[in-house]
Amino acid sequence: QQQVKQSPQSLIVQKGGISIINCAYENTAFDYFPWYQQFPGKGPALLIAIRPDVSEKKEGRFTISFNKSAKQFSLHIMDSQPGDSATYFCAASLHGSGNTGKLIFGQGTTLQVKP
Amino acid sequence: ETGVTQTPRHLVMGMTNKKSLKCEQHLGHNAMYWYKQSAKKPLELMFVYSLEERVENNSVPSRFSPECPNSSHLFLHLHTLQPEDSALYLCASSQDAGGRAYEQYFGPGTRLTVT
Repeated sequence: QQQVKQSPQSLIVQKGGISIINCAYENTAFDYFPWYQQFPGKGPALLIAIRPDVSEKKEGRFTISFNKSAKQFSLHIMDSQPGDSATYFCAASLHGSGNTGKLIFGQGTTLQVKP
Repeated sequence: ETGVTQTPRHLVMGMTNKKSLKCEQHLGHNAMYWYKQSAKKPLELMFVYSLEERVENNSVPSRFSPECPNSSHLFLHLHTLQPEDSALYLCASSQDAGGRAYEQYFGPGTRLTVT
């Protein structure tokens, strides 16, 4: 029940196209849904995050769409660029008792943007 | 130095060796985390420290022993590891381990190979 399922595992998009990565969850106690971007040889970096009471959040070319009733959320990358080629992880934050929040990560999507 | 640093970046050790991974954060955060990242698997949370107190131990084998001497430093002591422990070990920090746990800052990781 604490899993976050992510698809697709890999994605190839032409430059200028839209990249879409989807995630699904079961636990309604999750309180934040961030996306992380990881380049080879680097640790993941927070890209954008959304709360479950918001249906959409946009930051530049990156948009999170959130469907609370379906327990699904997705990352859209508009006008995809070769520099966006990286591995993307969706995650869900679980704020437990006391001060023990933690992140549950999806399996990751490797995005390749072809020039 | 800025952000989260990890040393060493690469480590090869035999199954009978003892070694330690070091993490340092320069962000003034109060929570620190150890993750294991294996190929084709989600990031696995290992340990969470909040204000130098361990608040989460995610069923990690005792051959991994964390230490947090202060809020800026985190160690992972390794002994009698198995080949399946070969992975990228990532350290992260966040402002707190509660409501801000979704916003984590990762180091570049230590690539560990157990021979």
